[in-house]
Amino acid sequence: AQSVTQLGSHVSVSEGALVLLRCNYSSSVPPYLFWYVQYPNQGLQLLLKYTSAATLVKGINGFEAEFKKSETSFHLTKPSAHMSDAAEYFCAVTWNYGGSQGNLIFGKGTKLSVKP
Amino acid sequence: EADIYQTPRYLVIGTGKKITLECSQTMGHDKMYWYQQDPGMELHLIHYSYGVNSTEKGDLSSESTVSRIRTEHFPLTLESARPSHTSQYLCASSEFSGQGAYEQYFGPGTRLTVT
Repeated sequence: AQSVTQLGSHVSVSEGALVLLRCNYSSSVPPYLFWYVQYPNQGLQLLLKYTSAATLVKGINGFEAEFKKSETSFHLTKPSAHMSDAAEYFCAVTWNYGGSQGNLIFGKGTKLSVKP
Repeated sequence: EADIYQTPRYLVIGTGKKITLECSQTMGHDKMYWYQQDPGMELHLIHYSYGVNSTEKGDLSSESTVSRIRTEHFPLTLESARPSHTSQYLCASSEFSGQGAYEQYFGPGTRLTVT
């Protein structure tokens, strides 16, 4: 079965500091992994995705994530936080085999706060 | 830019009323989804569809029903709303393909409050 665990429901950083949001996955088949961002009262916007090509994936707004199979991790990072990065971030996994292929399994989310 | 629309954005309704949440996409995607999200919580898949005349139940049991008569339209209906249905409902769509990743595009959501 596939699952996603996001460590830390709330992360707070200072403006200009490194952002690190953690995501670990469990999957019995090769996974596809995503990071989405959600601003208040809005839908989800795709930040980046891992689709078995490059293990280091660059996304929008300066975010990137590295797929580490040995650690079953897909952590999201940004070198320098901006006030506009304050939002909820969701890690998700999907797969292309068997039943329910393409359905996303989401983590519980991490709320990022950025202090001035 | 994703072209997926949800109406209404906000709805406050009394117990026992029938409601329909609308979702439309103009991207021609085969697969569509409905998620339920409580405040500050993760998304749970409640319904999905592979295409016209296809509907499937998701991981989270829901009293709502869906239909897919047209590719671009995937409405969700609650026959008799209850306070326990108060939540945010998000619609999404993706291309159906046997290869590659299914990138889902999300609508802005409908925040439903049942009094």
